[in-house]
Amino acid sequence: GESVGLHLPTLSVQEGDNSIINCAYSNSASDYFIWYKQESGKGPQFIIDIRSNMDKRQGQRVTVLLNKTVKHLSLQIAATQPGDSAVYFCAENMDNDMRFGAGTRLTVKP
Amino acid sequence: NAGVTQTPKFRVLKTGQSMTLLCAQDMNHEYMYWYRQDPGMGLRLIHYSVGEGTTAKGEVPDGYNVSRLKKQNFLLGLESAAPSQTSVYFCASSRGFGGPTGNEQFFGPGTRLTVL
Repeated sequence: GESVGLHLPTLSVQEGDNSIINCAYSNSASDYFIWYKQESGKGPQFIIDIRSNMDKRQGQRVTVLLNKTVKHLSLQIAATQPGDSAVYFCAENMDNDMRFGAGTRLTVKP
Repeated sequence: NAGVTQTPKFRVLKTGQSMTLLCAQDMNHEYMYWYRQDPGMGLRLIHYSVGEGTTAKGEVPDGYNVSRLKKQNFLLGLESAAPSQTSVYFCASSRGFGGPTGNEQFFGPGTRLTVL
């Protein structure tokens, strides 16, 4: 999983740099994965998803990479902006059972 | 469209009190979910519903009950609140189940519940 205990992993980047947020998922049979963004005091917001038959999927400024061999998922954010500051977490699905990671806190420095 | 709304936004209860959290969605979604989010942990599914009049248990259902009398509403009840139920509760809805068909879950803003 992404974190243990009360403290989330953190990532601090400079505005304009690229961000890479990682997620280790637990079930090798999971067939669908989602990345969510959660801003302080708000509900999670869908960013991008990927199916297990794909290795890479691109959206607007975001790319998700899936490595099934090592059960690893990553979210790349290009040209990170202050509005990208949030907690990002991944979710894995198997047989309609969705499991969520705790997340990584991304802070963007101006 | 308001999307998914939750009431109340905050609530403080004493141990043993009961309350109901209301979730409403205006997207005509079939599926609705209740999650809890605790510090340092991922969302955990409490109960869900695959359509009006149906409910099913999720990962952590004990101490909670739900009802889906109308398609647009999903109620979460705590019959006798305990301090362990202090958490942030999120409701979500989706057109289908959140699986490989790509049915995105839309989340509400959350309800912060404290049980003393």
